[in-house]
Amino acid sequence: SAVISQKPSRDICQRGTSLTIQCQVDSQVTMMFWYRQQPGQSLTLIATANQGSEATYESGFVIDKFPISRPNLTFSTLTVSNMSPEDSSIYLCSVETQGYEQYFGPGTRLTVT
Amino acid sequence: AQKVTQAQTEISVVEKEDVTLDCVYETRDTTYYLFWYKQPPSGELVFLIRRNSFDEQNEISGRYSWNFQKSTSSFNFTITASQVVDSAVYFCASYSGAGSYQLTFGKGTKLSVIP
Repeated sequence: SAVISQKPSRDICQRGTSLTIQCQVDSQVTMMFWYRQQPGQSLTLIATANQGSEATYESGFVIDKFPISRPNLTFSTLTVSNMSPEDSSIYLCSVETQGYEQYFGPGTRLTVT
Repeated sequence: AQKVTQAQTEISVVEKEDVTLDCVYETRDTTYYLFWYKQPPSGELVFLIRRNSFDEQNEISGRYSWNFQKSTSSFNFTITASQVVDSAVYFCASYSGAGSYQLTFGKGTKLSVIP
C-alpha cells in the first residue's frame, strides 16, 4: 500500500486566483495521477504525472488551466489557475504501486467564490 | 475504451441485512483490472480490492465478498450483516492492462445502512 498526504485539505478561494495543491507519498512511485470529483459526481482523471516527463492531460483538461509538476518520485503538485466557481470540486491525487493497485490521497476540497 | 456501469444509484438497508452492489464493465481488452473503492462521508477514497481479468476466483474478506463473472462482465460486491459504518458511496472502477493506467469509474452507489 501507500500513504498519501495532500495539502491543503480544503480552501476557499476567490474567482480569478490560483491554488497549488501538493501531493506527497511515503514511497517512490512511477505513476501519479490527479483526479477531480465535482459535487455528488464520480471521479474524472485530469492528468497522469510521471517523473521526468511532461504530464499527459485527458480530454477537456489543458496545461494552462491545470499545470502539474513532478520533480521527484514522491511528490507532485497540481495548480488550478484562474479559478471560477465551476472549479469547486474535490481534487485527489493517486499513485499506482507495484501490483497495479491505486491508492488515493485524502483529497483537497476547493470552493471558489 | 473502458466503461463501468453501476445501475444502483442509492440503496437503503436496515442494519444486519445483506446487500449486493452491482457493477458491470465493458472492455475490448483481454487484460484488465477491476477495483472497488469506498468513499465515506469524510471524503477519502478507500481501496477495497483489485482483481485482474485472469483471476475469476471469488474473494471474501470478513463481511465483504466479491463475485467476478466474466461471462456476464460483472464484478459485484456483497456486504454481509451490514453495519452503520458501511454507509458510504461505493465506486467500481477498471483499467486496461494494455499500457493505460487510467482508472475509469462508475457513477457510484450510495449505500445507507439504517440502525
